[in-house]
Amino acid sequence: DVKVTQSSRYLVKRTGEKVFLECVQDMDHENMFWYRQDPGLGLRLIYFSYDVKMKEKGDIPEGYSVSREKKERFSLILESASTNQTSMYLCASSFLVGYEQYFGPGTRLTVT
Amino acid sequence: KNQVEQSPQSLIILEGKNCTLQCNYTVSPFSNLRWYKQDTGRGPVSLTIMTFSENTKSNGRYTATLDADTKQSSLHITASQLSDSASYICVVREINDMRFGAGTRLTVKP
Repeated sequence: DVKVTQSSRYLVKRTGEKVFLECVQDMDHENMFWYRQDPGLGLRLIYFSYDVKMKEKGDIPEGYSVSREKKERFSLILESASTNQTSMYLCASSFLVGYEQYFGPGTRLTVT
Repeated sequence: KNQVEQSPQSLIILEGKNCTLQCNYTVSPFSNLRWYKQDTGRGPVSLTIMTFSENTKSNGRYTATLDADTKQSSLHITASQLSDSASYICVVREINDMRFGAGTRLTVKP
């Protein structure tokens, strides 16, 4: 079974803090994704990566950056957290673009 | 405007009843359509995938239909169980993009 794990289930951070969200997958997938999920808006793609050290902006990259130094690990970085970044963050991986995405359990981030 | 619209936003049914969730999309060109189930506090899990040429696909008590001409899909749940309480998300793939619906929140009550 594919397993995608995320470093934290719940996080509370203060405005202006730097926040790191970690995601690890164990299926040697090429592609990894970061989404945020807000009520009524569904999942929105922040960034994705199709190879180590490669990244592409998604629909809402502003205020975020990512890092993929190893194939199995994809990190989402909030350089200076703001209250409008309070959300559920979901990481996913897939073998190729368009193939089934396997999601992690999510990190619920609250920025106060 | 979201290219994938789901209805209803939320639905409450009694255990044992059937229900149908709708997904309309404007994504083009269309590659495939997936339905995901997301339990509370968990990530989405794929239920079914349908390509352009498929009209219906079943996974246990879940049956998905697709009309590529009208760009509509539905997910029918038969004999609902309490464990069906979840959000159901429709995802439509373009060539290199995935478009997510906002989901339907289903609550099954005893």
